[in-house]
Amino acid sequence: DADVTQTPRNRITKTGKRIMLECSQTKGHDRMYWYRQDPGLGLRLIYYSFDVKDINKGEISDGYSVSRQAQAKFSLSLESAIPNQTALYFCATADRALESYTFGSGTRLTVV
Amino acid sequence: QKEVEQNSGPLSVPEGAIASLNCTYSDRGSQSFFWYRQYSGKSPELIMSIYSNGDKEDGRFTAQLNKASQYVSLLIRDSQPSDSATYLCAVTPSGAGSYQLTFGKGTKLSVIP
Repeated sequence: DADVTQTPRNRITKTGKRIMLECSQTKGHDRMYWYRQDPGLGLRLIYYSFDVKDINKGEISDGYSVSRQAQAKFSLSLESAIPNQTALYFCATADRALESYTFGSGTRLTVV
Repeated sequence: QKEVEQNSGPLSVPEGAIASLNCTYSDRGSQSFFWYRQYSGKSPELIMSIYSNGDKEDGRFTAQLNKASQYVSLLIRDSQPSDSATYLCAVTPSGAGSYQLTFGKGTKLSVIP
């Protein structure tokens, strides 16, 4: 099994719908992240969490929310999806030294 | 703002040649440096890490670090078509409040058969 598992792998949804992307990890890392990646823009941080009670906004958090249900689970929600949220989304985990950064396989989200 | 700069490419090299990928960073206090490979539509995967000035070799890959010049590079010898991907440079930021790696936007490499 993968160290960092994301579901779903692909999703097409309609504008205005609520959608949740899920991430679970077996790395034992405290730090978990949600990134989106768009062509030419690189990885942009949406939210990050250091533990269940510590959740922080990244550079592009508007329109997104997260939940850290357990040390190993970190979910990203789009409360009302819009087309410009169409992107590739990655969950990542890291140790405290940031030297063991592991990405999930990604979710390709299309909002129509 | 602390930044990592990479030439976006595409960098095209013939099969069997040496591909040279470069990265500069602005945070003089950075201590750890990483190269990730990302195939189209896939997640980044770590291929090299380097912590000290000089060269570090792993198979066909060599990472080079020069902290004085704030420069890190990745050389790929005997390039293969399977090396065609985007390569992301990442550094650990300095400072007690650091919470994520700082990533460059990546260089797209194309190895021509």
